[in-house]
Amino acid sequence: SQQGEEDPQALSIQEGENATMNCSYKTSINNLQWYRQNSGRGLVHLILIRSNEREKHSGRLRVTLDTSKKSSSLLITASRAADTASYFCATANQGAQKLVFGQGTRLTINP
Amino acid sequence: DTGVSQNPRHKITKRGQNVTFRCDPISEHNRLYWYRQTLGQGPEFLTYFQNEAQLEKSRLLSDRFSAERPKGSFSTLEIQRTEQGDSAMYLCASSFEPAGPPREQYFGPGTRLTVT
Repeated sequence: SQQGEEDPQALSIQEGENATMNCSYKTSINNLQWYRQNSGRGLVHLILIRSNEREKHSGRLRVTLDTSKKSSSLLITASRAADTASYFCATANQGAQKLVFGQGTRLTINP
Repeated sequence: DTGVSQNPRHKITKRGQNVTFRCDPISEHNRLYWYRQTLGQGPEFLTYFQNEAQLEKSRLLSDRFSAERPKGSFSTLEIQRTEQGDSAMYLCASSFEPAGPPREQYFGPGTRLTVT
């Protein structure tokens, strides 16, 4: 079963705007990861944040983690048409050796 | 290309037939995962291997499903007596993890199975 819930399920913005996606989860985690999936393709790893970290940056991506609220957010700044994809959060739960994925946010960047 | 590869990319089969998928991970990766993804959903974990040992199987993996990773290299996922509900994208991922929680995983392009 999928643990994470992502919000919104779909997001459509203009090129150049910022996009924010949220992920909530239910159990204690070791780390949380974000992945991107272009239509009909495999997933690409974007960023990993450990449970003792609060914020992490990678290029135009910024991820925050609030373990007290069991939530994370992914911010994509200065969006581009090529950012159009589905974005998934995945948690590595404590004591487990697998990732549990959310249902994803479908992001559309309009030129 | 040194990424994860999967074959075939597409498979159409009739209900009741057996199918087998292959995954070739990144060569130095010791862990290999199988996931299933249906339209509009995130990947769901099926099973994973550490080297050649299959260490965990999801309850989604009924007795019609079997996976192997001989010699800790490529892996195969077989579905026997396919059902229409097996129609999905089957994703393989690999990672290098000497110990500890899962790190970033590298995914293949997937095999899309359609059962008619």
